[in-house]
Amino acid sequence: KAGVTQTPRYLIKTRGQQVTLSCSPISGHRSVSWYQQTPGQGLQFLFEYFSETQRNKGNFPGRFSGRQFSNSRSEMNVSTLELGDSALYLCASSLYAGLESPLHFGNGTRLTVT
Amino acid sequence: QQQVKQSPQSLIVQKGGISIINCAYENTAFDYFPWYQQFPGKGPALLIAIRPDVSEKKEGRFTISFNKSAKQFSLHIMDSQPGDSATYFCAASAVGTYKYIFGTGTRLKVLA
Repeated sequence: KAGVTQTPRYLIKTRGQQVTLSCSPISGHRSVSWYQQTPGQGLQFLFEYFSETQRNKGNFPGRFSGRQFSNSRSEMNVSTLELGDSALYLCASSLYAGLESPLHFGNGTRLTVT
Repeated sequence: QQQVKQSPQSLIVQKGGISIINCAYENTAFDYFPWYQQFPGKGPALLIAIRPDVSEKKEGRFTISFNKSAKQFSLHIMDSQPGDSATYFCAASAVGTYKYIFGTGTRLKVLA
């Protein structure tokens, strides 16, 4: 079974630009979450989607947005990029919404903002 | 109150030794505590997890100890191996929130 696939693996953008990251969950998984990983802050929750509905959002500015499609694939968008947005963005999927449904992470998209 | 505090930040252990990583939390609504292992260039992978109604859970060389009254939990890696060298994250989640709060990570190095 294929794991969580994130594309692209690496991105270099300039301040002020916008970026879209893509995530394909494990087949059959309906919950998709996004996390930002930075050396100083660890993993910070961005948002979670289940059946195309956003059920929770982390403490990030409105420049960060996401969506989930009917096939459970998800995208996140960051507009008006800032230098501080440079990070590894991780997508995770899980089979169902329960606590003990483990998160399966992709290998992330490394975003560098110059 | 939403934080999970993890220590130490880094840890060096001899092969065959015991690695111990500690985490503490404040939010009593947390009721699921997983540990994740991350190798360079990879996403985190679930290692082991515990619910607060259990004081200890063991899977192979990995053990979680949970102290509900102290709001602390720890990961013990017995007989540590060089292949265990990775970054370990503790996390916590509360039912209905659909999110995990992660600790800041511990970089473990096991010397051969």
